[in-house]
Amino acid sequence: DAKTTQPNSMESNEEEPVHLPCNHSTISGTDYIHWYRQLPSQGPEYVIHGLTSNVNNRMASLAIAEDRKSSTLILHRATLRDAAVYYCILSDSNQAGTALIFGKGTTLSVSS
Amino acid sequence: DTGVSQDPRHKITKRGQNVTFRCDPISEHNRLYWYRQTLGQGPEFLTYFQNEAQLEKSRLLSDRFSAERPKGSFSTLEIQRTEQGDSAMYLCASNGGMYNSPLHFGNGTRLTVT
Repeated sequence: DAKTTQPNSMESNEEEPVHLPCNHSTISGTDYIHWYRQLPSQGPEYVIHGLTSNVNNRMASLAIAEDRKSSTLILHRATLRDAAVYYCILSDSNQAGTALIFGKGTTLSVSS
Repeated sequence: DTGVSQDPRHKITKRGQNVTFRCDPISEHNRLYWYRQTLGQGPEFLTYFQNEAQLEKSRLLSDRFSAERPKGSFSTLEIQRTEQGDSAMYLCASNGGMYNSPLHFGNGTRLTVT
């Protein structure tokens, strides 16, 4: 499985934008980039995913570098409820039903 | 859509006992996954079902672990002769449709082996 590298932790202030980076230098052409987050005492929650183009949804935006070797999850206005562990994961679209392999993720702290 | 449901939420057992956990996925989802998570780590993949067929098992799934999905709906994960190292959060997830469709996770069963 292709690997991702994320910072262990990041801090943000409430109502400010947050940019969570992810490096995936060995990504293949058929790998999707997925982001999940996990709030305390809950299971992981899907945030967003994309292949080549930038993606936006109600939760966040995903900016993918032109060479696809890195990506950034953007939370436009952080709230206290966004404090969580954020996981960046690659999965091969050519492999049916491949399980997502989680790393340790980035722990995001949000201060008021 | 009531989400993925796991039962029980918490289980405390003595070393050597058997335990069984249940997962009810979202009804229209044909794929179901089990993960294990220990403190400070990301979820670790254990096994995966498509309908009733168990298609993939991690090397983490020792012979003391067995999972079933008899009718392609709910699934059970059994751990025999529990050990203290089995203490963890056991997470279930499901999805359907395209292979890269989002996983929907339950809130897990926390197992403590004393």
